[in-house]
Amino acid sequence: AQSVSQHNHHVILSEAASLELGCNYSYGGTVNLFWYVQYPGQHLQLLLKYFSGDPLVKGIKGFEAEFIKSKFSFNLRKPSVQWSDTAEYFCAVNGGSGGSNYKLTFGKGTLLTVNP
Amino acid sequence: DGGITQSPKYLFRKEGQNVTLSCEQNLNHDAMYWYRQDPGQGLRLIYYSQIVNDFQKGDIAEGYSVSREKKESFPLTVTSAQKNPTAFYLCASSIRQGGHQPQHFGDGTRLSIL
Repeated sequence: AQSVSQHNHHVILSEAASLELGCNYSYGGTVNLFWYVQYPGQHLQLLLKYFSGDPLVKGIKGFEAEFIKSKFSFNLRKPSVQWSDTAEYFCAVNGGSGGSNYKLTFGKGTLLTVNP
Repeated sequence: DGGITQSPKYLFRKEGQNVTLSCEQNLNHDAMYWYRQDPGQGLRLIYYSQIVNDFQKGDIAEGYSVSREKKESFPLTVTSAQKNPTAFYLCASSIRQGGHQPQHFGDGTRLSIL
């Protein structure tokens, strides 16, 4: 069975600090990887995704993530965070290609608090 | 604007009562999903549906039921058999089942027990 592990439950940073949120998954085959963000009072929205090609993917609002297959990791990064990045971040994975695998497995989430 | 509408935003259930959460999408998506979100637990899949009149159990289907009579609608019923129903429920949809197509989420329904 697939599983996703997010290493940090709660991360607290000051504005302009750099961010890296860890995500590791367990699945032996081809994977599709996602980061979702849930801002306070808002719905869950897609930050970025990887399914093939360049393992360094760029998303919205200056976020990026790197897929390292050998480490089963898909860590999220941002060079300089802002107060508005305060949110909960979820890593998710599904396996298979060509739309063959429905099941999106989520990590437990990391709450990011950015202090002004 | 296209999107997913969940209603109501807040819902209260009495002991022994069934309640139904509504989910409607106008994105013309084939697949729809229901998740339960608990603090510190992430999202867990309850049920999903690939096409009309078809649905499958997810990881935590016990105590829940769904129907998919129309492409746009995927209501979730929380039955009295669900012993711990207090949670935040999220509905999602995607262009097709699985794969690299991202899921789009509604604003959620928060269910509480009176």
